[in-house]
Order: sequence, then structure tokens, then C-alpha cells
Amino acid sequence: EIVMTQSPVTLSVSPGERATLSCRASQSVNNNLAWYQQKPGQPPRLLIYGASTRATGIPARFSGSGSGTEFTLTISSLQSEDFAVYYCHLYNSWLGTFGPGTKVDIK
Amino acid sequence: QAQLVQSGAEVKKPGSSVKVSCKASGGTVSKYAISWVRQAPGQGLEWMGAIIHMFGNVKYSQNFQGRVTITADESTSTAYMELSSLKFEDTAVYYCARAPYIRFDSYFDHWGQGTLVTVSS
Repeated sequence: EIVMTQSPVTLSVSPGERATLSCRASQSVNNNLAWYQQKPGQPPRLLIYGASTRATGIPARFSGSGSGTEFTLTISSLQSEDFAVYYCHLYNSWLGTFGPGTKVDIK
Repeated sequence: QAQLVQSGAEVKKPGSSVKVSCKASGGTVSKYAISWVRQAPGQGLEWMGAIIHMFGNVKYSQNFQGRVTITADESTSTAYMELSSLKFEDTAVYYCARAPYIRFDSYFDHWGQGTLVTVSS
């Protein structure tokens, strides 16, 4: 079973700054990797799929990259509405696996 | 615009069962894979299982094997998740989530609003 890890656990960023979130798989995987944003009391929201494709309606400040075992979500200039928890999700088999999440909070 | 609407919050006793529903609008429940994901208080996301009703296929996480049953009713475009032998640690928000394809290995582009299940004596 592939294990997903995310780092850092918490990322403190000032509005307007760049945020870089990492997701690592325990073994090499294809690009079936998605990123979700979750705010308190809300369901997750799809941001990125296929490691780098933005979902419909997602602002261009969100970008995904990576391959193999290392994947990155970058938020180029944090807006107030971007402070949330971000999860990566490996969907390369019928068994979906989520990372533990990274909380992005205000510095 | 596709939408998933879940049933309301439940309070259950240990050892009992709970059945959560997820009604799909904007398309039938058979056209997509529907998964169930849960989130314990203050914790991350945990995939429980999924159904592709059109093919009669269901997959379950080993973590819930034997306790979870996922079904769907085409006539009402509703998916269901039943969890039995409830334990205190099953207290969580349960989400249904839709894949944009008729396959299990997919991301989720639509989510239900979540259903809080509280297990309490």
C-alpha cells in the first residue's frame, strides 16, 4: 500500500507571499495526483488533478507540479481566502489515498 | 451543475448502524463513480469505499471491510452508505464524492455537504 505524506504540517505565510506545499508518495506513482482545499465546516474543493491541471474555476495563482514520488502545490500570491487546509490525493488505483494535509495559516 | 445532497446529522449508540444517503442531481447516480470519505473531528480524509452502479461494482477499504455497505438506487438517483457495529471512533463527518468518470481510479470533482454522525452512549 502506498503511503502519502505532506510537508510541512503547518505553513505560516503572509498575504501576498508565495506558498509551496509538498506531497510525497512512498513509491513512484504516475501522475494520478489531485489537490483539494478545505475550509472549516466545508467539504473539500478540487483544485488540481493529473498533478498539474487546474480544475474548472480555479484561479491561476494555484499550480501543481511534480512526478515520480514528489509533488508540489504552489500558491503564487496568497489571498485571504486561501488560508485553509490542503490535501493531496493519490488515485492511481481503486483504493484512494489521501495525504494528512497541510494547514496554511496567516503569519 | 451537478450537486450531491446528503441526509441530516445522526446520533447513534455504540453497536448500532447508520445509513447515510446522497442524492445526485444534474445526472443519474449510475453515470459516475460515487465514493464515501469520512473525516473524524480535527483529522484528515479517509476513503471508505465506492460504487459504480451501472456495472454493479463496489469497492471497500480494508479498514472497513465487513462493516460498510455501499448501495445505489437508480430510480431516486441516490447512493447510500451503511456503517454497522458503530464504535465511538466512528464519530465523524461522512462525505459522498463524485468522480467525473465511470471508474474507481479518479479524483472527485463534486462533494456532498457532509453528514455528521455522532456515536454516543
